[in-house]
Amino acid sequence: NAGVTQTPKFRILKIGQSMTLQCTQDMNHNYMYWYRQDPGMGLKLIYYSVGAGITDKGEVPNGYNVSRSTTEDFPLRLELAAPSQTSVYFCASSYSRQTVPQYFGPGTRLTVL
Amino acid sequence: GQNIDQPTEMTATEGAIVQINCTYQTSGFNGLFWYQQHAGEAPTFLSYNVLDGLEEKGRFSSFLSRSKGYSYLLLKELQMKDSASYLCAVRDRNAGGTSYGKLTFGQGTILTVHP
Repeated sequence: NAGVTQTPKFRILKIGQSMTLQCTQDMNHNYMYWYRQDPGMGLKLIYYSVGAGITDKGEVPNGYNVSRSTTEDFPLRLELAAPSQTSVYFCASSYSRQTVPQYFGPGTRLTVL
Repeated sequence: GQNIDQPTEMTATEGAIVQINCTYQTSGFNGLFWYQQHAGEAPTFLSYNVLDGLEEKGRFSSFLSRSKGYSYLLLKELQMKDSASYLCAVRDRNAGGTSYGKLTFGQGTILTVHP
């Protein structure tokens, strides 16, 4: 049982490039989330999903897209990378809305130059 | 919307007790969480309060007062490994009375434990 896994661990992008951050969980959790964490700050919700085929925007969705074709996977897509997207990205999951806690992946550190 | 406030930094001595406060304003409260995050690592769950009162888990305790919009995390018998950022997060209830488990996080309190 690997929990929540994320790839890659680190990535440097040039302005305007695109990439997909991968997130997979093997706990059969329905709810999955993407957060970003800027230096010295808390986590801000980008997108979330309550099940396969269902996604919704969080607090800071601009510049990102998500999809949820399976229960296990919840990729985050950056289409036109900007320096403001330099951050650490965490994926998290939970079984249901009433279940605690959310389990976090190890994070992806992204730098846009 | 939600507003969560916690101190930016705190320092304490090994073996001592420290209390990290968190105040929040929310339109629909559905639980308060504390997470620990070591530098360069993912947040890990510490405690959860949905009703008023104290929840104790070993050296860590968390208190909630819903009427005051206030919580604290109490760490006893501090150890050097407790040096980390402590994140307060509130789960809200949407307008329909349900919740999709979304958490709003405070900026975190960086705790430094000295020998």
